[in-house]
Amino acid sequence: NAGVTQTPKFQVLKTGQSMTLQCAQDMNHNSMYWYRQDPGMGLRLIYYSASEGTTDKGEVPNGYNVSRLNKREFSLRLESAAPSQTSVYFCASSVLPTVAGGSPLHFGNGTRLTVT
Amino acid sequence: KNQVEQSPQSLIILEGKNCTLQCNYTVSPFSNLRWYKQDTGRGPVSLTIMTFSENTKSNGRYTATLDADTKQSSLHITASQLSDSASYICVVRSAGSQGNLIFGKGTKLSVKP
Repeated sequence: NAGVTQTPKFQVLKTGQSMTLQCAQDMNHNSMYWYRQDPGMGLRLIYYSASEGTTDKGEVPNGYNVSRLNKREFSLRLESAAPSQTSVYFCASSVLPTVAGGSPLHFGNGTRLTVT
Repeated sequence: KNQVEQSPQSLIILEGKNCTLQCNYTVSPFSNLRWYKQDTGRGPVSLTIMTFSENTKSNGRYTATLDADTKQSSLHITASQLSDSASYICVVRSAGSQGNLIFGKGTKLSVKP
């Protein structure tokens, strides 16, 4: 039972390059999320998908796009990477969206991205 | 403004000792509060959830408390083990229309032999 799987684990980009972070979950969860974690800050929501076919902006969406490919997969794209996007990115999933109550988030192990 | 403040920022204790981590919040309206454990290089994992009506809940050596009147929660770890070394994150869910989650910055706990 893999849970939430993120690829790649590490990535170094040059300013202006693009890349897609991949996320897949095998728990049949309805909702999926992308967070970023920076030193000295709490996790911040970038985008989320409450259910298959829907996506919404979170707290810090600028510079990112997402695709909910199917119920299992939710990808995050950086079209033109900037040094400010250097961070650890976590994908998470939950049975129900946060608006619906107390389902815990299940996190992947993160992608460590450095933009030079 | 909805905020979650955790203290201390970091803590070092000896193996076998107890410790208590604090979480104060200003989130309103309040729905629930969850504690997560994040090992180095891994994603956070849920330890326990506290709802408005719950004062104390235990999960093995972890005991969480909630005082909804003072908007404070604590996580007490008993007889610490080396494997307890991690960051502990307090997350409060707002009962507003969007059900937003507000994350604390975490407390980094180091347990030394």
